[in-house]
Order: sequence, then C-alpha cells, then structure tokens
Amino acid sequence: AQSVTQLDSHVSVSEGTPVLLRCNYSSSYSPSLFWYVQHPNKGLQLLLKYTSAATLVKGINGFEAEFKKSETSFHLTKPSAHMSDAAEYFCVVRLSAGNNRKLIWGLGTSLAVNP
Amino acid sequence: NAGVTQTPKFQVLKTGQSMTLQCAQDMNHNSMYWYRQDPGMGLRLIYYSASEGTTDKGEVPNGYNVSRLNKREFSLRLESAAPSQTSVYFCAISKTFSGVADTQYFGPGTRLTVL
Repeated sequence: AQSVTQLDSHVSVSEGTPVLLRCNYSSSYSPSLFWYVQHPNKGLQLLLKYTSAATLVKGINGFEAEFKKSETSFHLTKPSAHMSDAAEYFCVVRLSAGNNRKLIWGLGTSLAVNP
Repeated sequence: NAGVTQTPKFQVLKTGQSMTLQCAQDMNHNSMYWYRQDPGMGLRLIYYSASEGTTDKGEVPNGYNVSRLNKREFSLRLESAAPSQTSVYFCAISKTFSGVADTQYFGPGTRLTVL
C-alpha cells in the first residue's frame, strides 16, 4: 500500500534557527512528491515539488527538500525560520505508475515560530 | 484572474438541511477535486472529476454528490446534512488527472457547521 507519514505533528522553533519537517513515504513506484503550506485560515499553496529531476528541490520562501530514495524520505528544511513561516505543512505523494493517480496526503505538521 | 473561487465562505446548517457548495475556476484546467479538512486528519478526497463529463468517488464520498456542470464549475451537494459533515471544504484543480507532476491549486475554502 502507498502511504505518506509526517513524523512530527507539531514542531516549534525559534526565529532565526533551522527548520526541519520530516516526511517518509512508501511506494511501489517512482513517486512525485510535494510539500504544501497552509497559513492560518487560508487555503493551501504549493511550496515545492520533486518530479524525478534533481533530488534537491528549491521552493518558495527559502524552503528546500531533498529526495532520498534509499531512505524513502522527502524532508523539508529552511536554514533560518521567520515568524511568517508559522503554518501547517503537508507532505503529499503521487504515484507515477499504476491506476491510482490520486494524491496521498500526510496528516500535516504544525510549525510554530517563537520570537 | 481569480484562480479558484468557492462560495459560500461560511455556512451554518441544521441537521437534515441540504445545500450546494460551488466551485469555479478560470485556469482552464481539466481536473477538479473536492476535499474536506478536519483537525488531525489532513485532507481527504471526497469526489473528483478527471475531466469534463466524468466524476468519481474519492476516499469519503458517503453523504455527498457532485456535478461537473461544465469545464469551469464543479459543485458539491449535501442532500441531508449531518453533524459529522462539519468541516472545512476545499475545491482544487489541476491541469490534468494523469500528470504526475501537476500542481493542485486550491480555493479559499468553505467553513461548514452542521448543528
């Protein structure tokens, strides 16, 4: 079965310190992987995506993620957190083969940034 | 260019009442989706329409119906609302259904409360 696991439901960091949001997936096929962000009381926005090109993917607002096939991971990082980064982050997997073309959503990680 | 619009933004219903949530897009994308978002459960797909003229069940279709009225519009209907349907509902679109790298674009959401 295909699945995605966000290892932390809540992460709290201080402003200016690094951010790490962890995501592991399981898939029988080569996946496409996405990170979406949802700010409080807002809709969802694509942060970045991996589609079998470069394994290190850069996104908006200084975020990046590295696809590691051997570890089946796609962790999201940012060198220095900003107050405006406080939001809910979702890791999403999409299969590249087979009949299931739907997205599989993680349960989300809530990021708090403390002054 | 509004992208994806949803109406209404907020709605309160009594148990047993019916209502239709509307979604419209101006991006000329083929695929449209309805999700619900509940605390601690991430996003769950209710129904989707891979292309104009087709609709299919997602993960949690019970209690809902959909209509793909044309390429632009995709509505979600609750025939007899129940408290368990209290949630935030998001409409999303993507260029295609089979494109594994296709980004989903989301509307601002409808916050529904069923008393």
